[in-house]
Amino acid sequence: GENVEQHPSTLSVQEGDSAVIKCTYSDSASNYFPWYKQELGKGPQLIIDIRSNVGEKKDQRIAVTLNKTAKHFSLHITETQPEDSAVYFCAAGLMEYGNKLVFGAGTILRVKS
Amino acid sequence: DGGITQSPKYLFRKEGQNVTLSCEQNLNHDAMYWYRQDPGQGLRLIYYSQIVNDFQKGDIAEGYSVSREKKESFPLTVTSAQKNPTAFYLCASSMDRFKPQHFGDGTRLSIL
Repeated sequence: GENVEQHPSTLSVQEGDSAVIKCTYSDSASNYFPWYKQELGKGPQLIIDIRSNVGEKKDQRIAVTLNKTAKHFSLHITETQPEDSAVYFCAAGLMEYGNKLVFGAGTILRVKS
Repeated sequence: DGGITQSPKYLFRKEGQNVTLSCEQNLNHDAMYWYRQDPGQGLRLIYYSQIVNDFQKGDIAEGYSVSREKKESFPLTVTSAQKNPTAFYLCASSMDRFKPQHFGDGTRLSIL
């Protein structure tokens, strides 16, 4: 089955700097890669997603890149702000197979002001 | 307001008891999912349902049961067979399997 590894487990950046979180997946059939942000005591919130027919997607300060050959994808946050501090999860899934997502273990992002 | 409602927010269970966690959505979504989250770990899929009256086991279904009698409701029962039930339980829904999943705010289950 699918296995997703996420790095780093914690990341501290200065306000205004960029943050990058990387994930690798094992099943080359996976075709859907969402990223979620989770604040304390809340459910995960979808922040961006990408499908395997696209190499890069951007939404304001957030971007995701996908390298299908290497089976890894990354989240890029530019101009970080204190409100970006949260736990971020990547996931991989095959939509045709019920969209069963396998999640990474999460990255705690701290933005210091 | 459209959304996913999970109740209760906190739940306590005695040893040997079954408990049922509620998940309701008014988004008219066909697909619904249950995940378990343990500290420092990612989410793991317990059960999912693509349509009313049909559901499939996820990666960690043992000790859990579900039903999908109505489109808007997907309750999860944690049975006494689940030996380590203490966790944060998250329900999600999506328009269909080709659309993103959106989550409720979870139920935290603890053993007394």
